[in-house]
Amino acid sequence: EVQLVQSGGGLVKPGRSLRLSCSGSGFSFGDYAMSWFRQAPGKGLEWVGFIRSRAYGGAAEHAASVKGRFTISRDDSRSIAYLQMNSLKTEDTALYYCTRDFTGSTPASWYFDLWGRGTPVTVSS
Amino acid sequence: EIVLTQSPATLSLSPGERATLSCRASQNVINYLAWYQQKPGQAPRLLIYDASNRATGIPARFSGSGSGTDFTLTISSLEPEDFAVYYCQQRSNWPLTFGGGTKVEIK
Repeated sequence: EVQLVQSGGGLVKPGRSLRLSCSGSGFSFGDYAMSWFRQAPGKGLEWVGFIRSRAYGGAAEHAASVKGRFTISRDDSRSIAYLQMNSLKTEDTALYYCTRDFTGSTPASWYFDLWGRGTPVTVSS
Repeated sequence: EIVLTQSPATLSLSPGERATLSCRASQNVINYLAWYQQKPGQAPRLLIYDASNRATGIPARFSGSGSGTDFTLTISSLEPEDFAVYYCQQRSNWPLTFGGGTKVEIK
């Protein structure tokens, strides 16, 4: 089955760190750019960042709101993408989604056809 | 940053009726716009990409149109499973942005 399984969320105090994982199966994980989004309670969707496939350089980019605090990485040998979140703030509280780009083995489309179920992150003292 | 404004915020319709959702961009996004459906407790689902192309497995009652700054998602005849929140997303400029959503609710 083609799917993304997320793990690693939870309750954390401001200033602390958390790492989210996203495990892909049923497809050639390394061929796809992977992105992260978040959705604060009752709010819309916000792009967090992406990481390109290795074939297209493997570089990561992050939204301004998380730049310098969050880092996206990937381990294609294990078909896992990571979102390392440092210096967490209360405004980072959200449901975090891992997504797969709509196209594989080509430049990314920056549309997203496969989503994980989301993992909740709550930042509170 | 490109701002996407969706209207109306809520659309109250009955099954079988036609739904017309609007997404307006603050700048020209050409046709680089997608539509997603999100049901409570679920992840978004890609419906339409590049303004008018249906994603795999999406029923023909869903159609997208528009270019530049004005886009429309049309559901020709609402099925019970179509009552959800719909988001538009642009990929023309970074950062990627989403509209605030339109909730299609049962009247």
